[in-house]
This record gives sequence, C-alpha cells and structure tokens, in this order.
Amino acid sequence: DAGVTQSPTHLIKTRGQQVTLRCSPKSGHDTVSWYQQALGQGPQFIFQYYEEEERQRGNFPDRFSGHQFPNYSSELNVNALLLGDSALYLCASSPYTGVRGNEKLFFGSGTQLSVL
Amino acid sequence: GDSVTQMEGPVTLSEEAFLTINCTYTATGYPSLFWYVQYPGEGLQLLLKATKADDKGSNKGFEATYRKETTSFHLEKGSVQVSDSAVYFCALMNRDDKIIFGKGTRLHILP
Repeated sequence: DAGVTQSPTHLIKTRGQQVTLRCSPKSGHDTVSWYQQALGQGPQFIFQYYEEEERQRGNFPDRFSGHQFPNYSSELNVNALLLGDSALYLCASSPYTGVRGNEKLFFGSGTQLSVL
Repeated sequence: GDSVTQMEGPVTLSEEAFLTINCTYTATGYPSLFWYVQYPGEGLQLLLKATKADDKGSNKGFEATYRKETTSFHLEKGSVQVSDSAVYFCALMNRDDKIIFGKGTRLHILP
C-alpha cells in the first residue's frame, strides 16, 4: 500500500505566479483534504473534496482552489502567490463514511512551497 | 470559535524520563480528540484518539484521557526514548467534522 503520495516534494515560485500541487490518496480512500502548515504552526484546513466536489472549506481566499478527478486524486491550485503562502502543504485522505470520516485521516509527507 | 491550546516547546528530556504535554480545548458540544506526531521530513501520523468523555486513547506507550470537566487531553508517556523525538500536535474534530490543530510541541529526547 503506497499510502498518500504528494508531488512535488519541494517547489520554489515567485510572487504573482500560480502553482499546482498534486495528491494521490491511500488505496480505498475517496475523500481528500488539503491543509496549509506554516513554519512553527499547526496545519490549517483549506478544503475537502468528495465525489469531485468541494464539500467543506476553511478560511482561505478564492485564490486557493482545487479539483478532484474520477480516480480520487486531487490538485490544489494557488493563484497570485504571496510571500505568506510559503508553507508546507499537506494532503490527507480518508474513506467517506458520511459521519466522522475525518477520524481516519492519513497524511502525505507534504509539498514545501517557497515563494520569493 | 473552536480551538486547541497546547504547551509551547521545545521540551527537552533525558531518555527514560516521564513525559507530559498539556493540551486544552474549546469547542461546542462533544468533539473527538486526537494526538498526531510528525517526525522530521514526514507528514502527520495519528498517534491516538478518544471520542467521548473519560475515554483513554493509547498507542506505543503514550496515553491521553478525555477530560470534559477540565476540557483537557494531556499526552503522557512513562519512559521516553530517543526515537520519540518529534513534533506532537493536539487536535479536535468539531461538530462540522473539521479537524482543528494546536500549534504543536517539539520534543527532544537526549540519550
């Protein structure tokens, strides 16, 4: 079992650019969540995808958008990058159970994004 | 809003010492509570959880008890090892099924 895989592992961008991060969920999982972890902070919830739709969203601006594909993999897109977007971006997958599914989150190792 | 507060680190202990990392929460209703661990260069791993008051979660020698009266979920281990060095995150799942994390506590264990 490959677990949750994310790519790339590291990325450097400049202000104003756009970035796309990718995630493949753990086998058997159909729900994908994205988190932003700034240096020295806990992960902050960005949004969650199930059945190719955004189901929940945290307090992040519209510059942050996502997509889920029929094979359950997901992308996180960030437009008009700001210096403050520099962070570790974590993807987590879980099986959809209708209720309390997030009790079974499995995290990937993350993508470290640096915005210069 | 819902939140998690945990003791600031870093915490430095000698091998075989007793560990406590404090965690308190604020939430409406009856959240589920978690401890996650993050080893260097890796993502978060679920260490243990408790879903209702007075439940005790345990794993790998770590324990935490859901205390509703004090809104706490302190992490303990009787004898730490060098391999326990990592960042530990306390978290809750609220009634909207959103996971809210604390800021994390870095633990250093000296041989």
